[in-house]
Amino acid sequence: SYVLTQPPSVSVAPGQTARIICGGDNVGSKSVHWYQQRPGQAPVLVVYDDRDRPSGIPERFSGSNSGNTATLTIDRVEAGDEADYYCQVWGVSSDHLWVFGGGTRLTVL
Amino acid sequence: QVQLEESGGGLVRPGGSLRLSCSASGAIFRDLYIGWIRQAPGKGLEWVSYIATGGSPIYTADSLKGRFSISRDDAKNSVYLQMNSLRHEDTAVYYCATESGSRTFDMWGRGTLVTVSS
Repeated sequence: SYVLTQPPSVSVAPGQTARIICGGDNVGSKSVHWYQQRPGQAPVLVVYDDRDRPSGIPERFSGSNSGNTATLTIDRVEAGDEADYYCQVWGVSSDHLWVFGGGTRLTVL
Repeated sequence: QVQLEESGGGLVRPGGSLRLSCSASGAIFRDLYIGWIRQAPGKGLEWVSYIATGGSPIYTADSLKGRFSISRDDAKNSVYLQMNSLRHEDTAVYYCATESGSRTFDMWGRGTLVTVSS
């Protein structure tokens, strides 16, 4: 089955840029989506189709995808961005049509 | 704005059954594509099942086929997840979410906790 690999944690100071990576075999040929999950809350879609933002998501959130790595970039990080972030792809595995990465905890120092 | 609400979670013994419900407001329910995603305590997200409009197609994670099944009743604005032969490892918060045309889950409910324990 297809595996998306994320670092368990990323730390960044307020106002700096956070980059969260998602690795997968030729993931650049798939559409990657990103979710934010604050503690005790349901996930929220923050980027879809590699780089598009749903309505209401700040422009500080952006995405890219190439080769074997997709990246979620958060500019001018704020305390409220502290959360778990998950990448997701579809249709790459017959046993799990929707595949999620293991998640990355973003800590704002 | 679509709002989803899950119900039916609770404590069940190993080998038991549970049926979760997902209801929606703020949209025409029969037009919604719905998925179930679960999250074990302290763990990541795992896709469980999906049902399209009209009840077809249906997809369920291979590891759960035979025990979990999804259905919908548009007249009752509800999607159901029937879970049988429950195991300790099925303990999780179960979320329902709408699936967009981009194969993403764009709106989520708050989740319902299922605990499998003797």
